[in-house]
Amino acid sequence: NAGVTQTPKFRILKIGQSMTLQCAQDMNHNYMYWYRQDPGMGLKLIYYSVGAGITDKGEVPNGYNVSRSTTEDFPLRLELAAPSQTSVYFCASSYSPSGLGFYEQYFGPGTRLTVT
Amino acid sequence: DAKTTQPPSMDCAEGRAANLPCNHSTISGNEYVYWYRQIHSQGPQYIIHGLKNNETNEMASLIITEDRKSSTLILPHATLRDTAVYYCIVRVVHNFNKFYFGSGTKLNVKP
Repeated sequence: NAGVTQTPKFRILKIGQSMTLQCAQDMNHNYMYWYRQDPGMGLKLIYYSVGAGITDKGEVPNGYNVSRSTTEDFPLRLELAAPSQTSVYFCASSYSPSGLGFYEQYFGPGTRLTVT
Repeated sequence: DAKTTQPPSMDCAEGRAANLPCNHSTISGNEYVYWYRQIHSQGPQYIIHGLKNNETNEMASLIITEDRKSSTLILPHATLRDTAVYYCIVRVVHNFNKFYFGSGTKLNVKP
């Protein structure tokens, strides 16, 4: 299994541009998440999904959108990029057979985004 | 979810046990304690979790005090590859929206 994969690894955007960060997992996990990590800080949850077709906001959703059309993919869309969105973005997935929760999240390698 | 307090950094000699403390004095009865680590800007890696009993797996041991207000992650024989930021997180298991990583403890394992 490849686990959680993210593309691209690095990206530089100009202010006002848009882009989509791709995330895919091949572990048949029902839950998927997007986090951002600013320098020297912990991770903050942007959006999460508990299954295909179901998404919800996390702690810092403004400026982002997500969709979950399949179990495997969970793209993150940045509209009108701003310098405040310069960060490292991590995608994660987890599995809960009962739907009552999860214990272990698996993280991708991250996408380093710079907005100038 | 309860907040956690961790020292910003710790040193440990290679081959010795690394004991990483975490204070979670406001933890509630249905909140689990999780430990993750992040090696040099890679994606975080799950280590262990527990509710009230001590737990052990192939990576580490988790000791939770009887009143559950604090816990200690123990790496029994630290290696240079264990140098990382270690995050202690408390969370209700079904609360998907609440998984705060905080700033963690930077563990420096020295030869």
